[in-house]
Amino acid sequence: EAQVTQNPRYLITVTGKKLTVTCSQNMNHEYMSWYRQDPGLGLRQIYYSMNVEVTDKGDVPEGYKVSRKEKRNFPLILESPSPNQTSLYFCASSSRTAPRGYTFGSGTRLTVV
Amino acid sequence: GQNIDQPTEMTATEGAIVQINCTYQTSGFNGLFWYQQHAGEAPTFLSYNVLDGLEEKGRFSSFLSRSKGYSYLLLKELQMKDSASYLCAVRDWTSGTYKYIFGTGTRLKVLA
Repeated sequence: EAQVTQNPRYLITVTGKKLTVTCSQNMNHEYMSWYRQDPGLGLRQIYYSMNVEVTDKGDVPEGYKVSRKEKRNFPLILESPSPNQTSLYFCASSSRTAPRGYTFGSGTRLTVV
Repeated sequence: GQNIDQPTEMTATEGAIVQINCTYQTSGFNGLFWYQQHAGEAPTFLSYNVLDGLEEKGRFSSFLSRSKGYSYLLLKELQMKDSASYLCAVRDWTSGTYKYIFGTGTRLKVLA
């Protein structure tokens, strides 16, 4: 089944404790992206990657890191999480001509206390 | 610049028809998408338009006018389960790269 697998679904952590949210896709998509979603603000892009070893900042990159060492994986790293990073996070992948646009992961609900 | 506008909230009655509008501004239009998103869940694909006209899929239809930068999503025979947010998104291809631009979503409430 074509899918984007994102883990974990839920995570509660403390301020300053490094964490990684994993994302993997099995559709050979070249394009992958991370979004955060907060009430009233819609989906805001954090980082995206056009292909292996090619990443770029989205609209809200501060406090986040990503890497794209393999085509299928695109982890999101929070080196020192803060409470304002409490949010719902989505990973998504696509190809340039994908008729369904993005395929989204199931989401990660992150709470930083 | 790049921008997408859609209403914040709409309310309709079960069994009725509702139209959700979306206007956009992009420099390298490469397709318009509608997604449905229930609270706390991932967006799921509803429809795709790249040429002008109407695309019909069961109770859902989507229309595109590229010259006007305008689209709408039409939902017929509304059901309670259609209560969700509906996201309009444009894929923009510029200078050898592409990105998706999302509207903030329209929250639809279906009343019995």
